[in-house]
This record gives sequence, structure tokens and C-alpha cells, in this order.
Amino acid sequence: AQSVTQLDSHVSVSEGTPVLLRCNYSSSYSPSLFWYVQHPNKGLQLLLKYTSAATLVKGINGFEAEFKKSETSFHLTKPSAHMSDAAEYFCVVMYGGATNKLIFGTGTLLAVQP
Amino acid sequence: DAGITQSPRHKVTETGTPVTLRCHQTENHRYMYWYRQDPGHGLRLIHYSYGVKDTDKGEVSDGYSVSRSKTEDFLLTLESATSSQTSVYFCAITRTSGSPEQYFGPGTRLTVT
Repeated sequence: AQSVTQLDSHVSVSEGTPVLLRCNYSSSYSPSLFWYVQHPNKGLQLLLKYTSAATLVKGINGFEAEFKKSETSFHLTKPSAHMSDAAEYFCVVMYGGATNKLIFGTGTLLAVQP
Repeated sequence: DAGITQSPRHKVTETGTPVTLRCHQTENHRYMYWYRQDPGHGLRLIHYSYGVKDTDKGEVSDGYSVSRSKTEDFLLTLESATSSQTSVYFCAITRTSGSPEQYFGPGTRLTVT
């Protein structure tokens, strides 16, 4: 069975400091993993994806994530937070073969303090 | 922008009334999905479609039905709305050129009073 666990429901950082949003996954085979971002009262935007190519994945807006099979983790990082990064972030695993269904984590709300 | 629109964008309805939400896509994708978003749950799959008249249940399908009579339209129906169906509903498509990626519509906020 596939699942994802986001380890923090809320993370607060100061502008200009690093961001770390943690995600652990469970999958019976090599997973496809994604991070999505949702700004307040907006839709979901794909940040980045891992699909068994390079383990370090770069996304939009300076975000990146590293797939670590030994730790079953796919943490999202950014070297320097910007006020515009304040949003909710979802770690997601794809399953179901050709049907490409998604299982979402419960989300991490990132606050960026000035 | 994946060419996905949802209508209506906001709706308030009373318990027991039927409600239909529409998802429209312009890129001729085979797979379409309906999710609901609730605080503390992320998004959960309600139903999905893998072609015209081909649909299947997701993890939270009770109380919902879907139809897809044309490639571009995927309808979600609440036969008799309940307060527990107050939620934000998102439609999505999968782009399969290269590795699959799922893109979402702008969402419909439904309130059942």
C-alpha cells in the first residue's frame, strides 16, 4: 500500500533562512513522488517530481527535494525563504499504474516571518 | 495552465438537494479525476475516469456519482447533499507526455447548509 506522511503540520521560518519540509513515504515499489504548493485560496501548483531518475530533484522557485530510498524520505528544501513562499505544501505519491492516482499527505503550512 | 475550468466556482446549497459540479478540459486528456480537500486531510480522490463512459471509484466515493459523456467534460454529482460534503472540490487531469504529471483546476467551494 502507498502512503505519505508529512512530519510537520506547521513550519515557521524567518525570511532569508533555510526551509526544510519533511516527508516520508511508504510504497511497495519504486515510487513516483511529487511536491505541490497551494497559496491561500488558490489552486495547486506542481513544484517538482521524482520518477526514478536523479535522486536530487530541482523544482520551481528555488526548491529542491532529495529522494532517499534507505530512509524512505523525500524532504523539500530551499536555501533561503522568501515571503512569497508562505503557503501550504503537499507531498504526494502516485500509484495505480496507468491510472496515475495520487495519495496526498496532510500538508505542511509554511509561515515566513519578516 | 492545463486548460481546466470548473463551474460553478462557489455554491451554497441546502441539505438534501442534488448538486452537479462540472469540470471542463481543452487538451483532450484521457484521465480525469475529482478530489475533495478538507483541513487535516490533504486531497482525497473521489472518482476518476479513464475515458468516455469509463469511470471508477476512489477512496471517498460514497454519496457521489460521476459521468463522462464527452472527453472534455467530467461531471460530479451529489445526489442528496449532506453537511459532511461541504468541501473544496478539485478536478484534475494527467498529462502523460513523458513521465505522468497531474494538473489541477481552480476548485469549487461547496457549502451545504
